[in-house]
Amino acid sequence: EAGVTQFPSHSVIEKGQTVTLRCDPISGHDNLYWYRRVMGKEIKFLLHFVKESKQDESGMPNNRFLAERTGGTYSTLKVQPAELEDSGVYFCASSPFRLAGSTDTQYFGPGTRLTVL
Amino acid sequence: AQSVSQHNHHVILSEAASLELGCNYSYGGTVNLFWYVQYPGQHLQLLLKYFSGDPLVKGIKGFEAEFIKSKFSFNLRKPSVQWSDTAEYFCAVNAANSGQGNLIFGKGTKLSVKP
Repeated sequence: EAGVTQFPSHSVIEKGQTVTLRCDPISGHDNLYWYRRVMGKEIKFLLHFVKESKQDESGMPNNRFLAERTGGTYSTLKVQPAELEDSGVYFCASSPFRLAGSTDTQYFGPGTRLTVL
Repeated sequence: AQSVSQHNHHVILSEAASLELGCNYSYGGTVNLFWYVQYPGQHLQLLLKYFSGDPLVKGIKGFEAEFIKSKFSFNLRKPSVQWSDTAEYFCAVNAANSGQGNLIFGKGTKLSVKP
């Protein structure tokens, strides 16, 4: 079974440009999470999809970040325009849907390292 | 606010030494507790988790953790580390009995094991 995949693995862009990150969850997993780790800090939650619906987007830093999950499969996270403080590693995780979703193991992707110059 | 504190930023041990990594959390309700590990060049993967029942939880690769509710702690232990345990270890919590599931992580502890 394929794990969670993310693309690209690295992205270097200039301030003001746009970047789109992609996450493909494990097939059949309804829950999809985005997290971010800024250098030297903890991994922080950004948002949570259940299928194609945003369940919780309380961790999104500001309106320069837009996440979508078309058809409840893969998800994209777009940063527009990118700022220096957006640099970090963006992780995606997925888990099967259950009523008590918090007990599910989340399976993480390898992350996308974003550098904004 | 919910938070997780990992006491050690970097731990250096020799092979066969015993390991204990501290984790304390701050949360007003019932929590689920997790330890994740990231080996060099690899994904974050689950070591072990606690939801309920026996507070001593055994995970993969000989790791275990003990939930002490009165101390809000979930320390990770291994009696004898190997060079292959070199990795970064993350403690995490989320709200129990919740459909949300989002994890709150500590800052991570880097473990270096000298052969």
